[in-house]
Amino acid sequence: EADIYQTPRYLVIGTGKKITLECSQTMGHDKMYWYQQDPGMELHLIHYSYGVNSTEKGDLSSESTVSRIRTEHFPLTLESARPSHTSQYLCASKDRRNTEAFFGQGTRLTVV
Amino acid sequence: AQSVTQPDIHITVSEGASLELRCNYSYGATPYLFWYVQSPGQGLQLLLKYFSGDTLVQGIKGFEAEFKRSQSSFNLRKPSVHWSDAAEYFCAVTRNGNKLVFGAGTILRVKS
Repeated sequence: EADIYQTPRYLVIGTGKKITLECSQTMGHDKMYWYQQDPGMELHLIHYSYGVNSTEKGDLSSESTVSRIRTEHFPLTLESARPSHTSQYLCASKDRRNTEAFFGQGTRLTVV
Repeated sequence: AQSVTQPDIHITVSEGASLELRCNYSYGATPYLFWYVQSPGQGLQLLLKYFSGDTLVQGIKGFEAEFKRSQSSFNLRKPSVHWSDAAEYFCAVTRNGNKLVFGAGTILRVKS
């Protein structure tokens, strides 16, 4: 069973608020990822990290930012939430070998 | 750029019937190939993966997939579907084991 956790699972928040979505994994994986998933759509990579102090933007432009101060922790922050940020955000991690990515259960964000 | 096509947005099958979900990818070389399943409100769970070798791979929950290089396809199959298989299924590829590119997903409905 995968040991990757996302909190909160669900979040409804007002426009303009600052939010941080948490993602933690206890598997010691170097690589971590954030995907954005809209209903009925594919997952889009928005951020990734290959290790501590390493962060890169993904294929889909996002106004969010990430940090990787510790191996196990990869939080995503929106400085000023907007309704267009309403989506599901999935965090994943994998080790440096070419094996599977493990996914968290996701955070469903609604900005009103 | 890599791309993944899942041509069927929805598929409905009767319980006990066989299932095939289609996946085609676009990439010059053979990428690493994956099938994930996502139940409502959950993260993604890996069903199976193909890296090399035998082109017919077995996964969890009775699923299998066949890699066909000539058709750039990696179709998922199950001989007898159970009601608990109702979920959304995602095909994914990665060239170097770093970033996964997902298809848009196929929603499977199972009728009793």
